[in-house]
Amino acid sequence: GQSLEQPSEVTAVEGAIVQINCTYQTSGFYGLSWYQQHDGGAPTFLSYNALDGLEETGRFSSFLSRSDSYGYLLLQELQMKDSASYFCAVRDRDSGGYQKVTFGTGTKLQVIP
Amino acid sequence: GAGVSQTPSNKVTEKGKYVELRCDPISGHTALYWYRQSLGQGPEFLIYFQGTGAADDSGLPNDRFFAVRPEGSVSTLKIQRTERGDSAVYLCASSLTGTGLQELAIADTQYFGPGTRLTVL
Repeated sequence: GQSLEQPSEVTAVEGAIVQINCTYQTSGFYGLSWYQQHDGGAPTFLSYNALDGLEETGRFSSFLSRSDSYGYLLLQELQMKDSASYFCAVRDRDSGGYQKVTFGTGTKLQVIP
Repeated sequence: GAGVSQTPSNKVTEKGKYVELRCDPISGHTALYWYRQSLGQGPEFLIYFQGTGAADDSGLPNDRFFAVRPEGSVSTLKIQRTERGDSAVYLCASSLTGTGLQELAIADTQYFGPGTRLTVL
């Protein structure tokens, strides 16, 4: 089956940079996504990596190393509104042959002044 | 345009009762997903529809859970004989084509609804 590991909590200072790591174990891996979820809100899509390397979207960047089964989300110039939970999600093929997306347990980011 | 909507936003029911949760996806999205999320956890996959058919229902925990999407748009998640352990936020998401059809190098971006908070007393 699939498993993903990410830190449960991270605290960082406003204006700083923070990196949220995600390691995964899965078969038939296709790509890694990141989602943001504010308390009481719905998850919203941030980024997707299918190939090794860094993808940049504004203040957010996401990195993938397929050989290391590892990825991270990098948030720069942190703002208070970035306080939220961040989920990595693998897209892979399960034992039944279906492509599906499996979410990690999430990292709660707290940005402090 | 309108996003994914879910009704009701909150549902309180008694153990043993039957509940229906509705999801209205983004117009034109062929793929629809149901997830369940407990406090402090990530979304847990339940079922995935491609059009009207359930492409993957391997996440449904047992036969008390059932979902339909008869016309390829609105979907209903049905839970029979509810148990206290069913209490969670039930999330629905839709995407343009779904993980089974999208090119692998392109994100299958899922757009989530606000969820239905189900409480079983």
